[in-house]
Amino acid sequence: GEKVEQHESTLSVREGDSAVINCTYTDTASSYFPWYKQEAGKSLHFVIDIRSNVDRKQSQRLIVLLDKKAKRFSLHITATQPEDSAIYFCAASMDTGKLIFGLGTTLQVQP
Amino acid sequence: EAAVTQSPRNKVTVTGGNVTLSCRQTNSHNYMYWYRQDTGHGLRLIHYSYGAGNLQIGDVPDGYKATRTTQEDFFLLLELASPSQTSLYFCASSGGANTEVFFGKGTRLTVV
Repeated sequence: GEKVEQHESTLSVREGDSAVINCTYTDTASSYFPWYKQEAGKSLHFVIDIRSNVDRKQSQRLIVLLDKKAKRFSLHITATQPEDSAIYFCAASMDTGKLIFGLGTTLQVQP
Repeated sequence: EAAVTQSPRNKVTVTGGNVTLSCRQTNSHNYMYWYRQDTGHGLRLIHYSYGAGNLQIGDVPDGYKATRTTQEDFFLLLELASPSQTSLYFCASSGGANTEVFFGKGTRLTVV
C-alpha cells in the first residue's frame, strides 16, 4: 500500500525566514496531497492541498510544490511567524479516499 | 466549520476490557475515518467508511472493529483491549474522496 515519508522530523527556523518540509510517496496512483497542522495539545486542521494536475499552489504564505516524476512534494512557509510553530503532517491519497499520513515534522519558529 | 464530535474524550480501561469510542459528524459527510496517533508513528489509519453500513480496512486494523450505523455515526470497538492500544484516537470526516478532512478533538485511551 501507499507509504508517505516525511523527511524532516524537526525543523527550527528564525522568525521571518522560510521553512521547507519535504515528503515522498510510493504509489504513482496517488493524486491528492494535503497538509495538516497540529498545534500543541490540539487536533489537526487542514492548511493546504495540491492535486496531481498541477505542480504548484500558493495560499498566502504557504506554497506547495509537487514533482510527480520524483514522487515528491513539499510545503514552503514563507516569512515564518511564531504562530507557525506546530507539527505539520503531509498526506497522500488515491481516488479511494484512503488518506495516508507521514510521521510529522515539528516546526519551531524562534523569535 | 464542519463539526466532528468524539466521546469520551478520555478513557481508562483494564487489559481485556471492552471499549467503544463514538464519533458523530453533522456535516452530511460520506467519508469517516478512525486514526490513532502515537509518538514516532504519526497518524495511522485503522478503519474508514464510505457511508452507512460500509466499512473499509485501514493499515492497522488488528484488534479493532468498527461500525458505521448511520451517515452521522461511526464507532470504534476494542473487544479485548491491550496495553498496545493505549493511544490518542482521532475520528475524522470528509465530503468525498480527496477533499478536506475534518478532525475531531481526539479520545485519549489508556489501557492498564
